[in-house]
Amino acid sequence: DTEVTQTPKHLVMGMTNKKSLKCEQHMGHRAMYWYKQKAKKPPELMFVYSYEKLSINESVPSRFSPECPNSSLLNLHLHALQPEDSALYLCASSQAREGQPQHFGDGTRLSIL
Amino acid sequence: AQSVTQLDSQVPVFEEAPVELRCNYSSSVSVYLFWYVQYPNQGLQLLLKYLSGSTLVKSINGFEAEFNKSQTSFHLRKPSVHISDTAEYFCAVTRRWGLIFGQGTELSVKP
Repeated sequence: DTEVTQTPKHLVMGMTNKKSLKCEQHMGHRAMYWYKQKAKKPPELMFVYSYEKLSINESVPSRFSPECPNSSLLNLHLHALQPEDSALYLCASSQAREGQPQHFGDGTRLSIL
Repeated sequence: AQSVTQLDSQVPVFEEAPVELRCNYSSSVSVYLFWYVQYPNQGLQLLLKYLSGSTLVKSINGFEAEFNKSQTSFHLRKPSVHISDTAEYFCAVTRRWGLIFGQGTELSVKP
């Protein structure tokens, strides 16, 4: 059983839609992450939140908008996505110290029509 | 800059045979190394971690990895694999925030 819960598991949306991905953890971790994983590729870091503040944005297009409303929740708001944004989006969390292992959710598989 | 290289993209092996998945890293600072496993349609699960101390680290399901600073390697080994070990394996190094992954090794265990 994963300790990081992501919803929905699957999402199909058109290029003009607005949707949100949600992530929740109850391990007391104060660092949370969004990764994007294309098929047959490793995950690529998108955003990092530390103590509910955005620490890293890896030059992600503005059509992806992260939000961390509290220490347990992480959202990724999506708007006007492109077909190449179709991927598995993974959320992870860790203790907010260097070198700590990250715990991943099972991801949301996103398809853009 | 830090980077990770996994030397084999696919490793086919028969059940009960030993296996080694190779990983080399590049880093100019202290490293923290990880192996993650990804089963089909799932997220990543932490398999092993090296933070400091003993260079040989072991998992509960029989995998082990050895940190070798002189060879900048962190190879993953298992003396006898099972069908259920079929999965994608990622070696990763952590920077200040986030993980840098290798390209992954697909382990395929055949009966």
